[in-house]
Amino acid sequence: QSVLTQPPSVSAAPGQKVTISCSGSNSNIGNNYVAWYQQLPGTAPKLLIFDNNKRPSGIPDRFSGSKSGTSATLGITGLQTGDEADYYCGTWDSSLTAVVFGGGTKLTVL
Amino acid sequence: EVQLVESGGGLVQPGRSLRLSCAASGFTFDEFAMHWVRQAPGKGLEWVSGISWNGFITGYADSVKGRFTISRDNAKNSLYLQMNSLRAEDTALYYCSKGKYDFWSGYDHWGQGTLVTVSS
Repeated sequence: QSVLTQPPSVSAAPGQKVTISCSGSNSNIGNNYVAWYQQLPGTAPKLLIFDNNKRPSGIPDRFSGSKSGTSATLGITGLQTGDEADYYCGTWDSSLTAVVFGGGTKLTVL
Repeated sequence: EVQLVESGGGLVQPGRSLRLSCAASGFTFDEFAMHWVRQAPGKGLEWVSGISWNGFITGYADSVKGRFTISRDNAKNSLYLQMNSLRAEDTALYYCSKGKYDFWSGYDHWGQGTLVTVSS
């Protein structure tokens, strides 16, 4: 059981937009920055978003992040088949004094 | 180019020990926090442990507290994870990861991982 809650799967057609939610509490998302990672099959995770909504250099602006209260959202526009991957949210939990991740969301581009 | 190369994984019996290493290059190692994150086969990401740039601050997941010890040698640009009293549930791919700018600010680089299998 993960501290952060993500939907197990989402799907959308190529070219469409999808959002992935990440729900937590005041001790984690509510008071700390959120990061998002993309894990393509058989590869290491890759940072997509940090500090809730910032993109590292090289990450296209099709990927966006937002946070409101104790929830965060990853948005992906202009979906491509190459976006099929597992997506994870992560943050610091001040009560647990630990880094916590969501259980991951599998994105299928139909 | 940032590179993180893990080593030291393998097959080990329950109750035994293993030491993982991560060789870092392509950045100023002693300016960044470093972490270990693991992924059991077919499962999600699980934070294991983290260490501040100077080694003064460390943190552990409850599942490994008292059994695992994280350390770093800034002179050798290396990160370590000493794993004792290993259990079957420690079986996972262990990733070395670099903090973006703070103890927790996300991980902007990851190694390819080293596989630890705990089995008799």
